[in-house]
Amino acid sequence: AQKVTQAQTEISVVEKEDVTLDCVYETRDTTYYLFWYKQPPSGELVFLIRRNSFDEQNEISGRYSWNFQKSTSCFNFTITASQVVDSAVYFCALSEPNYGGSQGNLIFGKGTKLSVKP
Amino acid sequence: KAGVTQTPRYLIKTRGQQVTLSCSPISGHRSVSWYQQTPGQGLQFLFEYFSETQRNKGNFPGRFSGRQFSNSRSEMNVSTLELGDSALYLCASSQGDDTGELFFGEGSRLTVL
Repeated sequence: AQKVTQAQTEISVVEKEDVTLDCVYETRDTTYYLFWYKQPPSGELVFLIRRNSFDEQNEISGRYSWNFQKSTSCFNFTITASQVVDSAVYFCALSEPNYGGSQGNLIFGKGTKLSVKP
Repeated sequence: KAGVTQTPRYLIKTRGQQVTLSCSPISGHRSVSWYQQTPGQGLQFLFEYFSETQRNKGNFPGRFSGRQFSNSRSEMNVSTLELGDSALYLCASSQGDDTGELFFGEGSRLTVL
């Protein structure tokens, strides 16, 4: 069965601190996709990154970086020099290609609520 | 480019009633997916529609149903509402192929009394 675990329920940091959000996934497939989404208080999920299982390169986008370690089934997300605007719930998700190549069926972790205090 | 629009944003129903939620995807997107978000269960996949056909379905009872119209707009219906159906219902649209990104709406918050 597929599963995504985000062990950190809530994290609180002070502005400018670095913070890493952990994500561990389980799947029996060799081809799959991993995602991170951000959910601000307004409710909509905002796409941050998509990574397929064959691309283990780490990625950096501004203050955001992602570390994908297939050997340990981890896809961690780091925010460098956090800001108050980063306060949100962050979700890690897993998708497996199925008939039709649908990306519409995501298995989400329970999310990590990040609070960045000034 | 307009985003994903969900209506209504908030609604209150009583047990036993039914409810219909609407989702207008981003123009040109052919896939619409629905998710239920509750504090206890988190985000759970309900179903996905692509070109008016249900392409994928999550593990929810038959009281939950949906449809998609020729203009890609989608509706989901929940019949015989139960207290446990109180949730934020999120709709997401995408191209429906392997390009991957889902664009979510702000959701419809349903309260069942």
